[in-house]
Amino acid sequence: AQKITQTQPGMFVQEKEAVTLDCTYDTSDPSYGLFWYKQPSSGEMIFLIYQGSYDQQNATEGRYSLNFQKARKSANLVISASQLGDSAMYFCAFSSGYALNFGKGTSLLVTP
Amino acid sequence: ETGVTQTPRHLVMGMTNKKSLKCEQHLGHNAMYWYKQSAKKPLELMFVYSLEERVENNSVPSRFSPECPNSSHLFLHLHTLQPEDSALYLCASSHTRTGRFTDTQYFGPGTRLTVL
Repeated sequence: AQKITQTQPGMFVQEKEAVTLDCTYDTSDPSYGLFWYKQPSSGEMIFLIYQGSYDQQNATEGRYSLNFQKARKSANLVISASQLGDSAMYFCAFSSGYALNFGKGTSLLVTP
Repeated sequence: ETGVTQTPRHLVMGMTNKKSLKCEQHLGHNAMYWYKQSAKKPLELMFVYSLEERVENNSVPSRFSPECPNSSHLFLHLHTLQPEDSALYLCASSHTRTGRFTDTQYFGPGTRLTVL
């Protein structure tokens, strides 16, 4: 079974600074997808960014970018210019089939 | 309505009650999912429906019974639940293509269930 690891249970960042949230995965499948989701206290899982295993370039979506290092099996999320509204839980997820396998999440707090 | 909607948003039920959770997607997707999120645990996949056929059931107790009448609607019927079933239940939808991992899944706001 695939394993997703998020080693940072909690992170702090000052407003307008950049922050990196770590994610590593373990798989022998050649074809897979990596996803990041944001979950505010309201509970909804909000899709942020996707990276396919065969994508040559790192994915970017606005202030979000994914630092994909395939050989190291890592897919870190970088949030630039943090905003107070970025405070939330962030989940990394892996898929090689129907399911999304989620990590335990990182709680991000953005301070003024 | 847009995206994925879920009703009710909050539900309190006794162990002998029968209730149903409803999910509706307005994205034209052909796969729908139920996930359970308990406190301090990763999201757990419960059921997957692709083209209205159940394709995965992750050893979920029979007190949870899914139903997918069409590609836009998904239900989770609940009966004789236990207090440990209290959790956030999230519905998601996506496109799915044979031989490929799932496309991006879009989630509803969830139903927060409390079993007394």
